[in-house]
Amino acid sequence: QQQVKQSPQSLIVQKGGIPIINCAYENTAFDYFPWYQQFPGKGPALLIAIRPDVSEKKEGRFTISFNKSAKQFSLHIMDSQPGDSATYFCAASMNYPPLVFGKGTRLSVIA
Amino acid sequence: EAGVAQSPRYKIIEKRQSVAFWCNPISGHATLYWYQQILGQGPKLLIQFQNNGVVDDSQLPKDRFSAERLKGVDSTLKIQPAKLEDSAVYLCASSSGQVGEKLFFGSGTQLSVL
Repeated sequence: QQQVKQSPQSLIVQKGGIPIINCAYENTAFDYFPWYQQFPGKGPALLIAIRPDVSEKKEGRFTISFNKSAKQFSLHIMDSQPGDSATYFCAASMNYPPLVFGKGTRLSVIA
Repeated sequence: EAGVAQSPRYKIIEKRQSVAFWCNPISGHATLYWYQQILGQGPKLLIQFQNNGVVDDSQLPKDRFSAERLKGVDSTLKIQPAKLEDSAVYLCASSSGQVGEKLFFGSGTQLSVL
């Protein structure tokens, strides 16, 4: 089965820190790489997404870095806040949905 | 804009019983998905509908799981009979179906099989 491997499993940072979550994929046919954010008791919600023709994308405090040759991509959260505490999932798809999700990273931002 | 509606919110059953989940997608969304999210893992696709036709059900355990999408709108997912390992959150999502289009998820149904 096509996989997306995500690390770390959990992460604790101080407020204002820059947590980094990494994902690696195997299938070079993947062409769409989103990150989803999930709060307890809620469904995942799209945070930011990137396509392999760019190496970086920023939206507000969230940045995706993409390394096509290494088949890796990562999420950086600038100036992290306690409200960013959630589980983050990377995902991938090719040509068309559906998405294949990573196992998730539980982020805790402490004041 | 109304989101994806799911019910019930929680369900507790004993193994070998049957259970059904309901989903109402965002109005106008042609594509509907059912995902299974086991505690501590990412969502795993069970079935994808395009309008009222099945696009992908390769990971649906068809000996016990079934799903239908009525008139290309609402959908139900059924498990019969349930096993202990079916304990999970069942998420419904919808999208317009375009390439790269984001998925809108409901809050899910948390199923506990005892």
